Amino acid sequence: AQSVTQLDSHVSVSEGTPVLLRCNYSSSYSPSLFWYVQHPNKGLQLLLKYTSAATLVKGINGFEAEFKKSETSFHLTKPSAHMSDAAEYFCVVSEEEGKAGNMLTFGGGTRLMVKP
Amino acid sequence: SAVISQKPSRDICQRGTSLTIQCQVDSQVTMMFWYRQQPGQSLTLIATANQGSEATYESGFVIDKFPISRPNLTFSTLTVSNMSPEDSSIYLCSVGRSSGLRPEAFFGQGTRLTVV
Repeated sequence: AQSVTQLDSHVSVSEGTPVLLRCNYSSSYSPSLFWYVQHPNKGLQLLLKYTSAATLVKGINGFEAEFKKSETSFHLTKPSAHMSDAAEYFCVVSEEEGKAGNMLTFGGGTRLMVKP
Repeated sequence: SAVISQKPSRDICQRGTSLTIQCQVDSQVTMMFWYRQQPGQSLTLIATANQGSEATYESGFVIDKFPISRPNLTFSTLTVSNMSPEDSSIYLCSVGRSSGLRPEAFFGQGTRLTVV
């Protein structure tokens, strides 16, 4: 079985300061890991995904995440927050490798607020 | 990537009625997924829709309440039956695709349902 825990339901940062959204997972096998962002009244958008090629994954809009197997973590970071980053972020795990149409397990979501 | 068209994008319905949500994909996919996002909550998987077989429902969801059709490899519908205000949610269609050894998921824009 797999599970995902996003440690903070809300994160508030000032514009221009770093962003850290925390995610821990549990998995019986080597997981696939994703971060999705959901802006108000918009569909989910993939920010980045973990592949075995590199533990540090770079995504869109300056976001990146580091896969740490020893800590079972996949925290999302960004060096400098922008007002447009305000949204809901979901950490997602998929356990079944190499299978089209995998089911996903979602974390509870973290609402990121960016103050001017 | 996969392009998913979901409609309607939103609806306001009377309690006791039913609403059918359509999901169209621009390419053939084996499995399609239906999720629900209740207000302030994360996404929850309702069921997995396979072409040519009965949908597989997650715990807490039943076919009588959420009948699903999957007539071909590019289309699926989810019906929310005998609606009550508790069914007010965003309903999302999703498909999966393997990218190398790693899967990724694609989402429709969602259907925002309000039951009055």
